Amino acid sequence: KAGVTQTPRYLIKTRGQQVTLSCSPISGHRSVSWYQQTPGQGLQFLFEYFSETQRNKGNFPGRFSGRQFSNSRSEMNVSTLELGDSALYLCASSWASVQETQYFGPGTRLLVL
Amino acid sequence: SQKIEQNSEALNIQEGKTATLTCNYTNYSPAYLQWYRQDPGRGPVFLLLIRENEKEKRKERLKVTFDTTLKQSLFHITASQPADSATYLCALGGFSGGYNKLIFGAGTRLAVHP
Repeated sequence: KAGVTQTPRYLIKTRGQQVTLSCSPISGHRSVSWYQQTPGQGLQFLFEYFSETQRNKGNFPGRFSGRQFSNSRSEMNVSTLELGDSALYLCASSWASVQETQYFGPGTRLLVL
Repeated sequence: SQKIEQNSEALNIQEGKTATLTCNYTNYSPAYLQWYRQDPGRGPVFLLLIRENEKEKRKERLKVTFDTTLKQSLFHITASQPADSATYLCALGGFSGGYNKLIFGAGTRLAVHP
């Protein structure tokens, strides 16, 4: 069974731009969560989608948004990029809930210049 | 606010010894706790989950304990090997602020020397 895939793997953007990251969960998994990982803050929860609905969210500004499609694939969008948005963005999938084993993708490394 | 503390300094041990990693938390009553392993440039990999009503869980050379009174979890790797070198993350889960959340610690880097 294929694992969680994320595209692109690396991205360089400039301040003020917007970016869209994509995540394809493991087949059959309906819960997709997004995390931001930085050396200073560690792994921080952004939001979780289940059946095309945002079910949980962390403490990030509205510039961070996401959506989930009917095939459970998910996208995350960050608008008006700031230097502090430079991070590794990780997507994780599970059958139905964050309470279960989270299967992480390799991440997208975003650098904002 | 909820706070999770893991040893910020790297843990260096000799091959064959038991590695013990600590995860302490405050201002939270998690329903469960998970441990993950993360290698450089990769996403975390799930290792073990323990629920609030469980004291101990084992999986091969791994053992995790969960003390809700001390608000602490200990993660043990017995007969450690250089291949166990990685960063280990603990994550606390439960219902908080109207949401079902999973909160990660910053991780502890383990280095096993031959």
